[in-house]
Amino acid sequence: QVQLQESGPGLVKPSQTLSLTCTVSGGSISSGGYYWSWIRQHPGKGLEWIGYIYYSGSTYYNPSLKSRVTISVDTSKNQFSLKLSSVTAADTAVYYCARASVLIGMMLFDIWGQGTMVTVSS
Amino acid sequence: QSALTQPASVSGSPGQSITISCTGTSSDVGGYNYVSWYQQHPGKAPKLMIYDVSNRPSGVSNRFSGSKSGNTASLTISGLQAEDEADYYCSSYISSSTLVFGGGTKLTVL
Repeated sequence: QVQLQESGPGLVKPSQTLSLTCTVSGGSISSGGYYWSWIRQHPGKGLEWIGYIYYSGSTYYNPSLKSRVTISVDTSKNQFSLKLSSVTAADTAVYYCARASVLIGMMLFDIWGQGTMVTVSS
Repeated sequence: QSALTQPASVSGSPGQSITISCTGTSSDVGGYNYVSWYQQHPGKAPKLMIYDVSNRPSGVSNRFSGSKSGNTASLTISGLQAEDEADYYCSSYISSSTLVFGGGTKLTVL
């Protein structure tokens, strides 16, 4: 049973870079047919897709965040990571990592991490 | 890319059926049969309920069904139960392997 777990600082200062890691257990991140994704949810608000990465390193980002986002993958550690630069209070949110499958459908998020709250504040 | 449009809230009594709409454009919902629906209970991660407009993942109740007409997708829940009370989000694939979520709908079971 594949599981995802986010980790990283819960508090980031304005203008700094938010860094989170998602560890994949119970399966290989190098399995074809899956895109490894980051999604966030502002407090009391809806879901916002940030981007995803294929194990080969191909990345796709939300155009509204593209200039500040980098998603990378470390297949040796079975992890993928999110970096969001120049953060402001507007980046305060719960950040989820998720697996997007293209095996049985198209970009469906079938497995999610529990989410981690990141607050941007000085 | 703009968020897909969902009603902020819907409600229904136990046993009834409700439908949640998800309206986009010909560039997203209308252009692809790649709409998914997610259920989110408070403090929990979302759960996939429907994918590719009308397909149910294994383990999801057949009380949940999806459809699409033009630029609007719909999620219907029949035989409403108390545990169905949650937030529901649609998402649609867009071109170039990107996607967009709807704003979410709060379902209240009266």
